[in-house]
Amino acid sequence: EVQVAESGGGLVKPGESLRLSCVGSGFSFSEHSMNWVRQAPGKGLEWVSSISGSGSYIYYADSVKGRFTISRDNARNSLYLQMNSLRAEDTAVYFCARDLPVAAGIFDSWGQGTLVTVSS
Amino acid sequence: DIQMTQSPSSLSASVGDRVTITCQASQDIDIYLNWYQQKPGKAPNLLIYGGSNSEPGVPSRFSGSGSGTDFTFTINGLLPEDIATYYCQQYDDLPRTFGQGTKVEIK
Repeated sequence: EVQVAESGGGLVKPGESLRLSCVGSGFSFSEHSMNWVRQAPGKGLEWVSSISGSGSYIYYADSVKGRFTISRDNARNSLYLQMNSLRAEDTAVYFCARDLPVAAGIFDSWGQGTLVTVSS
Repeated sequence: DIQMTQSPSSLSASVGDRVTITCQASQDIDIYLNWYQQKPGKAPNLLIYGGSNSEPGVPSRFSGSGSGTDFTFTINGLLPEDIATYYCQQYDDLPRTFGQGTKVEIK
């Protein structure tokens, strides 16, 4: 069974950092691009970042560019999101989502999400 | 960025009704459009990809159509378990963008 599971969320103050992790199981992790998608409380979905299977291609939303860094460790079946200089507007549930192998941008498996709260 | 506009933002329908949600892209996205269902407190779930292709295991009452800038998502015969918020999402270009969501409730 394909599964992805996030961890690492929590309460931090503005300007602080946090690192999210996502572990994939039940599939060949290195063959899939992976993504972070977030959802602010009561709001819609916002794509945050993508990384190709090899890690060679990385993309960010303008809202996080320069502050967030996506990475992966295929030996550990793990995806990461390093979040620096956090702002109140980064408060959201962060989901890890797998791309279909044949078409990037189709998010076919999602984790349960991890909540990040940025507040003083 | 490609803007995705969904309508309506919410709707109330009776069990057994046909429900239709539209999604309009700000530019031509060919067929690169997905539909997701999100139930309260849960992760989104992919229902339709490529405009009209059903994800395996998705009930046949869910369907999608359209290409270019105008897309439609239909539930043929609404069931109580379909209560959720539905999102469209384009994958023609980066950044990936979502519609604002349509909340479906039972009348």
